[in-house]
Amino acid sequence: DARVTQTPRDKVTEMGQEVTMRCQPILGHNTVFWYRQTMMQGLELLAYFRNRAPLDDSGMPKDRFSAEMPDATLATLKIQPSEPRDSAVYFCASGRDSHTDTQYFGPGTRLTVL
Amino acid sequence: SQKIEQNSEALNIQEGKTATLTCNYTNYSPAYLQWYRQDPGRGPVFLLLIRENEKEKRKERLKVTFDTTLKQSLFHITASQPADSATYLCALPLSGGSYIPTFGRGTSLIVHP
Repeated sequence: DARVTQTPRDKVTEMGQEVTMRCQPILGHNTVFWYRQTMMQGLELLAYFRNRAPLDDSGMPKDRFSAEMPDATLATLKIQPSEPRDSAVYFCASGRDSHTDTQYFGPGTRLTVL
Repeated sequence: SQKIEQNSEALNIQEGKTATLTCNYTNYSPAYLQWYRQDPGRGPVFLLLIRENEKEKRKERLKVTFDTTLKQSLFHITASQPADSATYLCALPLSGGSYIPTFGRGTSLIVHP
C-alpha cells in the first residue's frame, strides 16, 4: 500500500529558527504539492512541482520559505527564519501527471513556532 | 480566480439517514470537481471525481452530482454510519487554464448513533 511519508510529524521550535520538512512522494508519481492548513485559512497551496521542476510557488512567502526537490524521492520545504504565524499543519501530496491531478496526501507535519 | 463555498457549520444527522453536503463555486465552470475526506490529525483522502460532462457519479454509498448551471456540486452519503463522521472537502481547478485543484474549507459531518 504505497503512501506519501512526511517527517517530522511534529515540530516545536522557537521563533527565528530554521525548520526543514521532508516528504517522500509515492514511487512513480511525478507531481508534488506542498500545502499549509490552518483553521482560519483552510488548505492553502504553497508550491507545486512536476517532474521535480517548480511550476507554481505563488502561494509561498518568498522571503522566508523555499521548496526543492533534490531528487525524485525527496521534496523539502524550508522556513528560515520561522515566525509564530507559520504555526500550522503542512501537508505534502503527490500524484500522477494527469489532467485531473488527483492527489495522495501525507500525514502532515504539525509545526508550532513559539 | 475561483471561489469555493462550503457550509462552515457542521452537519449533524442520525445514523441511517442520507447526508447531503454542498459545494458552490463562482466564476467559470471547472473541467472537473473532486471530493476528499479528512479525519482529525490526518491528510485528506480522495473519494470521487466528477467531470463537467457528467451529471452524476456513484461509488458504493457515495453519490456526487455536478450542476454547471447552478455552479454547484452535491455530495450524498446514503445509509450514513458514525464512521462517516469527518470533514469533507471539495476541490476544483484554480483557474481556467490550470489543472491544480483549489480546496474549499470543508464541511464537518457528524453522524449520531
